[in-house]
Amino acid sequence: DAKTTQPPSMDCAEGRAANLPCNHSTISGNEYVYWYRQIHSQGPQYIIHGLKNNETNEMASLIITEDRKSSTLILPHATLRDTAVYYCIVRRINAGNNRKLIWGLGTSLAVNP
Amino acid sequence: DGGITQSPKYLFRKEGQNVTLSCEQNLNHDAMYWYRQDPGQGLRLIYYSQIVNDFQKGDIAEGYSVSREKKESFPLTVTSAQKNPTAFYLCASSIRQSEYEQYFGPGTRLTVT
Repeated sequence: DAKTTQPPSMDCAEGRAANLPCNHSTISGNEYVYWYRQIHSQGPQYIIHGLKNNETNEMASLIITEDRKSSTLILPHATLRDTAVYYCIVRRINAGNNRKLIWGLGTSLAVNP
Repeated sequence: DGGITQSPKYLFRKEGQNVTLSCEQNLNHDAMYWYRQDPGQGLRLIYYSQIVNDFQKGDIAEGYSVSREKKESFPLTVTSAQKNPTAFYLCASSIRQSEYEQYFGPGTRLTVT
C-alpha cells in the first residue's frame, strides 16, 4: 500500500478555510484516499474518501491532483470544534485478506479564535 | 441511536491481572476491530473479526485475546502476558471487512500499575 506523508501540525484561524495536504506519490490506480479525524481522547471519525474525482460532503471537500500523487482536505469554514488530528490513509479496495487501514501520525490541526 | 459503545471510559488494574474491555454495536455491521493507540502514535490493529465466530490477529495481537460469539459484541481481554498494557483502546466496526469506512467507539483508557 502507498505510504502517505502529512505535515505534523498546522494552524488555522476560526472561520477561515483549513487546507490539509497529503502526499501519496506511490499511489496506484486502484487505491483510494481516505480521511479520518480524531478529536482529543475520542475515537476517530470518518470524513471523506475518493479515488480520482474531487469529492464533497457536508463535512469537507477532497481535492485529488490529476496525477493522484497528492490530495488536499478542505474544511471550508473551520470552527474550534475542528481542532483534531487528521489522518490521510491510502488503501486498496478488495485487497484480499490483507484489508487493514494503516494509520500514520496525521496532522494536528489547531483552529484558533 | 445507532453506534458503538465501549465501557468503561477509564479502567485501572494492577499488574498481573487480566482485564476485559467491552465493545457493543447496534449498527448491524459484520466486521469489528480492536486498535491500540499510544501517546503521539497512530492506531495499531490488535484483532479483527469479519463475521461471528471468526477473528484474525492484527499487527500486535500478542498478550491479547478476543471472542465474537454475537454479531453485536467483540470483547477484548488484555492478559497479564501483555508487557505494556497501558494505552487507549479503540473498537470499530464496518459493514463488511472490505469496507474502509469504519465507525469508532469512544475508547477505553486502560492504566495498569
